[in-house]
Order: sequence, then structure tokens, then C-alpha cells
Amino acid sequence: DSGVTQTPKHLITATGQRVTLRCSPRSGDLSVYWYQQSLDQGLQFLIQYYNGEERAKGNILERFSAQQFPDLHSELNLSSLELGDSALYFCASSALGSGTGELFFGEGSRLTVL
Amino acid sequence: GENVEQHPSTLSVQEGDSAVIKCTYSDSASNYFPWYKQELGKGPQLIIDIRSNVGEKKDQRIAVTLNKTAKHFSLHITETQPEDSAVYFCAASRGGGSNYKLTFGKGTLLTVNP
Repeated sequence: DSGVTQTPKHLITATGQRVTLRCSPRSGDLSVYWYQQSLDQGLQFLIQYYNGEERAKGNILERFSAQQFPDLHSELNLSSLELGDSALYFCASSALGSGTGELFFGEGSRLTVL
Repeated sequence: GENVEQHPSTLSVQEGDSAVIKCTYSDSASNYFPWYKQELGKGPQLIIDIRSNVGEKKDQRIAVTLNKTAKHFSLHITETQPEDSAVYFCAASRGGGSNYKLTFGKGTLLTVNP
């Protein structure tokens, strides 16, 4: 158990809909990262938040947005969903000042768009 | 941005044999190179990492080597066991401070046959 909690574990929805994925980082971790995992693209970095502020942005579509709240949990919002958005979405957290760079991943949220 | 190539995409070995997975990276400023193991239905988990000021690191049956000049690094697993079967990802990062955004390779599915 990494200590990172993601909900929901599975989500099935239709094209055009909007969903919200939630992540609770390990206790004390200030950084939250979101990754998308698909069969053909592997693990793609979407966005990082650090203590409530956006710190780095990757290949995140304009239809997707994220935020980190004062209690450090994070949400990833996916809107106007397309079939190609079907994937496993991972959240990871890391410890401030650890110097190790280790990311602790949750078990992911599997999104299926029909 | 950083680009990480990983080979092979699949690797099958007999129990007790060694397994080697190779990665190359493009960004000469990358200084942190972790390896993650992902078991079925789980999130990736760090198994070993190396920084650019070190050429080799070992942890029991696992070792990682880094060639900064050639911009490639490798994972070596000796005396493989069936429980080593998983997908392995290499990654690279300009790690430091509060940002350890990782760029991942596309993964290697390792199968260890009893």
C-alpha cells in the first residue's frame, strides 16, 4: 500500500460527459502528479501541483483541468470526453525535501468512455 | 522536452537467468533516473534509482548502470524469480527541489518462466 488513495477505481461513462477523479496523497506529501496510462502511449505526465499551486504541465488537453485543495487532495476534471480518453489515470505524490525523488503511485482510476 | 526510449518491449527468461532492460534519454540536463515495477492491477512502484553523479548502483539482485556520455542507462536483474514478472518502466527527470516530473519509457513486460 503506497498510501496514495484514488477514487473511483473504475468509471464508465459516455462521450461528451464530464468526470472528476480524486486523489488523496500520502500524509505530509505536498506534491501531487497526474499521469495517464494507455497501451500505446505508456505513462504520460499530465500535470503537477505543489502545495496548491501548479508547478509543471505536460501533455494535458485543454478539456482536462486539475486543482489541489488546501487539504492537499487533488482532483482531475475531464470534460467533453472522447473515446480516446479511455485510459488508466494515476495520481502520485512525493515528499518535500526527501531528496530521493521517489513518487508514490496510487492504484489508478480506470476510465472507460463508450 | 525529454524523450526516453526503452528496449525491449517484451522479455521472456527462464527462472534463474539474468534480465537486462535498456533505456536512452535525450535531455543532457536530466540527472535522476529511476526504475519502476508495475504489477497487474497496481500502480508503479520504485525499485531502484540512480543519479547522474553515480555510474552504478546495486541493491541485492537488482543493479542499474548509467552512461552519461552515451545518455543511456540499464536495469540488470540477476537470478530472476517468477515474482519478478511485471512491467518495468525506466524514467528520467531534471529532478530537484519540489519537482521530480518523470518522463517514462514505454515499458518492458518481463516474464520469468518457472
